[in-house]
Amino acid sequence: KAGVTQTPRYLIKTRGQQVTLSCSPISGHRSVSWYQQTPGQGLQFLFEYFSETQRNKGNFPGRFSGRQFSNSRSEMNVSTLELGDSALYLCASSPQRGFATDTQYFGPGTRLTVL
Amino acid sequence: DQQVKQNSPSLSVQEGRISILNCDYTNSMFDYFLWYKKYPAEGPTFLISISSIKDKNEDGRFTVFLNKSAKHLSLHIVPSQPGDSAVYFCAASAQARGSTLGRLYFGRGTQLTVWP
Repeated sequence: KAGVTQTPRYLIKTRGQQVTLSCSPISGHRSVSWYQQTPGQGLQFLFEYFSETQRNKGNFPGRFSGRQFSNSRSEMNVSTLELGDSALYLCASSPQRGFATDTQYFGPGTRLTVL
Repeated sequence: DQQVKQNSPSLSVQEGRISILNCDYTNSMFDYFLWYKKYPAEGPTFLISISSIKDKNEDGRFTVFLNKSAKHLSLHIVPSQPGDSAVYFCAASAQARGSTLGRLYFGRGTQLTVWP
């Protein structure tokens, strides 16, 4: 069974631009969560989608948004990029809604650099 | 506000010895705890978990201990191997369905280096 895939793997943007990242969960998994990883902050939860609905949201500004499609694939969008948005963005999928007892399987991440 | 804390950013251990990684949490609602391991250029991978009804869980060389009264957990790796060198993340959640805590809260990670 293929793992979680994320595209693109690397991205360079300039301040003020917007970016869309894509995540394809493991086949059969219905929950997708997004995290931002920076050296000083560890993994910060962005949001979780299940059945095309956002079920949980972290403390990020409205510039960060996401969606989930009927095939469980998910995208996240960051508008008006800032230098501080440079980070590794990780996607994780789990079979059901992201309950703690459901192991989350992470993709390799998208490395976003904002210049 | 960091609800899961890993106060040691790095740990260096000789091969064959024990590695002990520590984690503290502040929210008493957390009742499920996990450890993830992350190599460079890869996503985190699940390592071991423990429910609050237990105080110890073992899986091969890895053992997690939970001290609920102290809101503290630790991961023991015995014996440590060079391939264990990675960043280890502690995570916590609440199992109550529908709870806003039904998501993973991660610590900032500890870089473990195991040297020969």
